[in-house]
Amino acid sequence: SQTIHQWPATLVQPVGSPLSLECTVEGTSNPNLYWYRQAAGRGLQLLFYSVGIGQISSEVPQNLSASRPQDRQFILSSKKLLLSDSGFYLCAWAFSTEAFFGQGTRLTVV
Amino acid sequence: KQEVTQIPAALSVPEGENLVLNCSFTDSAIYNLQWFRQDPGKGLTSLLLIQSSQREQTSGRLNASLDKSSGRSTLYIAASQPGDSATYLCAVGPNYGGATNKLIFGTGTLLAVQP
Repeated sequence: SQTIHQWPATLVQPVGSPLSLECTVEGTSNPNLYWYRQAAGRGLQLLFYSVGIGQISSEVPQNLSASRPQDRQFILSSKKLLLSDSGFYLCAWAFSTEAFFGQGTRLTVV
Repeated sequence: KQEVTQIPAALSVPEGENLVLNCSFTDSAIYNLQWFRQDPGKGLTSLLLIQSSQREQTSGRLNASLDKSSGRSTLYIAASQPGDSATYLCAVGPNYGGATNKLIFGTGTLLAVQP
């Protein structure tokens, strides 16, 4: 069966520090991969998606970037965090039409 | 631009009651619609997926319907239990994004089932 791993579960980072969140998927090949952000009191917003290794599409302009160095690995990064980057970050994968989510990372920028 | 709305924002019911959660979307040209459950501080659990050609899907005590022409979906929960307490999210896959399965989410309905 397919599983998705996302870490860390929680993270507190100072403003201006770098960020690296990692997501890996097991049990499937060539999945579509996604990074969503859920801000307090708001719905989930799609940040990036990838249909293959090295292929990244950005949905909204922001302070973050994404990379897909391997088929089942998706990384969310920032060189310098802003306070507005705080939120709940969720990785997801989809092979056909159904999407499945990881357990999320709670990021607090202080 | 597709917009997804969920009503009510919060709902509290006594255990055993049947209930309906509503989801509406502005653009009927959708690829699919998916209902999720989110427990506090956790990720999303997929409940039901309805393809654009389907009218409803059922899983246990859950039944989701889709009416594309009116831009509506409902999630019916039968015989609610305290363990059903969570936030329920509706997400639409727009038609142009079918191959990529990008989802547009509503803000959710927070359900509390009282024992």
